[in-house]
Amino acid sequence: LAKTTQPISMDSYEGQEVNITCSHNNIATNDYITWYQQFPSQGPRFIIQGYKTKVTNEVASLFIPADRKSSTLSLPRVSLSDTAVYYCLVGGGAAGNKLTFGGGTRVLVKP
Amino acid sequence: SAVISQKPSRDICQRGTSLTIQCQVDSQVTMMFWYRQQPGQSLTLIATANQGSEATYESGFVIDKFPISRPNLTFSTLTVSNMSPEDSSIYLCSAQENTQYFGPGTRLTVL
Repeated sequence: LAKTTQPISMDSYEGQEVNITCSHNNIATNDYITWYQQFPSQGPRFIIQGYKTKVTNEVASLFIPADRKSSTLSLPRVSLSDTAVYYCLVGGGAAGNKLTFGGGTRVLVKP
Repeated sequence: SAVISQKPSRDICQRGTSLTIQCQVDSQVTMMFWYRQQPGQSLTLIATANQGSEATYESGFVIDKFPISRPNLTFSTLTVSNMSPEDSSIYLCSAQENTQYFGPGTRLTVL
């Protein structure tokens, strides 16, 4: 299973853009990159998924370079309610649908 | 996206007893998984719940301790057997459609 590395924590302020970069050097050809958000006492919530280049939805953008060895989750104009742990995962390839969670990035949005 | 519910949402149990956690999905899904999340930690995959056959367990988890049922494509149970305080954790189920969606979790405290 591909291992991911992401910063342990990040601080930001309301209205700023937050970018979280995840390294996944041994990503397999068939693996997708998926990001989840988790609030305390809740299950992880799907944010976005991509394979290559750029993916955008109503809450975030995901940038994936050509070599796919890293990816960056971009959260535009964060608010206090975006304070959470964000997990980067790769999977769906050789490991099938199993997901391996790394440590996640704890994002604190300050007023 | 799949909507997943879990019962109970939380429980406090005595050591040596067993607790069965139920997971219900609002649509038929191919794959369901069970995770454990200890306080302040990331998620760890316990097993894949296979419909019509025995669950597939990850390293460090065994069927005698965590028996799993998957009688149909929308339902699964996880039993935590012969509990000890070390089993105190949040247990989450997930379901795979195009991506993986998570239930709200069951917070278990073992005294």
